[in-house]
Amino acid sequence: DAGVIQSPRHEVTEMGQEVTLRCKPISGHDYLFWYRQTMMRGLELLIYFNNNVPIDDSGMPEDRFSAKMPNASFSTLKIQPSEPRDSAVYFCASSPGLGTSGADEQFFGPGTRLTVL
Amino acid sequence: GQQVMQIPQYQHVQEGEDFTTYCNSSTTLSNIQWYKQRPGGHPVFLIQLVKSGEVKKQKRLTFQFGEAKKNSSLHITATQTTDVGTYFCAGLNNFNKFYFGSGTKLNVKP
Repeated sequence: DAGVIQSPRHEVTEMGQEVTLRCKPISGHDYLFWYRQTMMRGLELLIYFNNNVPIDDSGMPEDRFSAKMPNASFSTLKIQPSEPRDSAVYFCASSPGLGTSGADEQFFGPGTRLTVL
Repeated sequence: GQQVMQIPQYQHVQEGEDFTTYCNSSTTLSNIQWYKQRPGGHPVFLIQLVKSGEVKKQKRLTFQFGEAKKNSSLHITATQTTDVGTYFCAGLNNFNKFYFGSGTKLNVKP
């Protein structure tokens, strides 16, 4: 397996533009997570899905952020409109479970570095 | 609300010295995982602890889960330059909610 795939790897956009980040989890993993990492706030869990259903979106900063998982092999994180404070590295991760019945490590993708000017 | 606090934020050591990072939760955790992130990279899973008082070792790394399942530690014996990176703990609470600690950035001087 190629691991978790994220695209694009880098995105530079202007304030007000719509940004869509994409993720392909590892096949067979039931959980998918979206994280945001900044120097100031560290690694923040934004939302996670179980079997394509959003379970916990309490970390989504505001209505400008939305995430979807239309099928087991694809998820998107959309920011509309984008703002400079959204600049960060966004990670997608997937896992077989939450670790409640065994070691269910999260496999992280390489991340998307987003810069909003 | 639930928080997972991690200390110290930074640690600079001389190669060969030991290193410890601590993770504390305000509530009981179902399990705790540890990850390492190299500069410019992504977090990589190290280990998971589930049982109260559990201790696990991976070569020079020793992981502990507290008796009350509210705290955990990662200890590295005789650090090497390859240990450089940020170490994160991630706790799962009884409501299936994950919380990552703020991370401890380790720098090892050769």
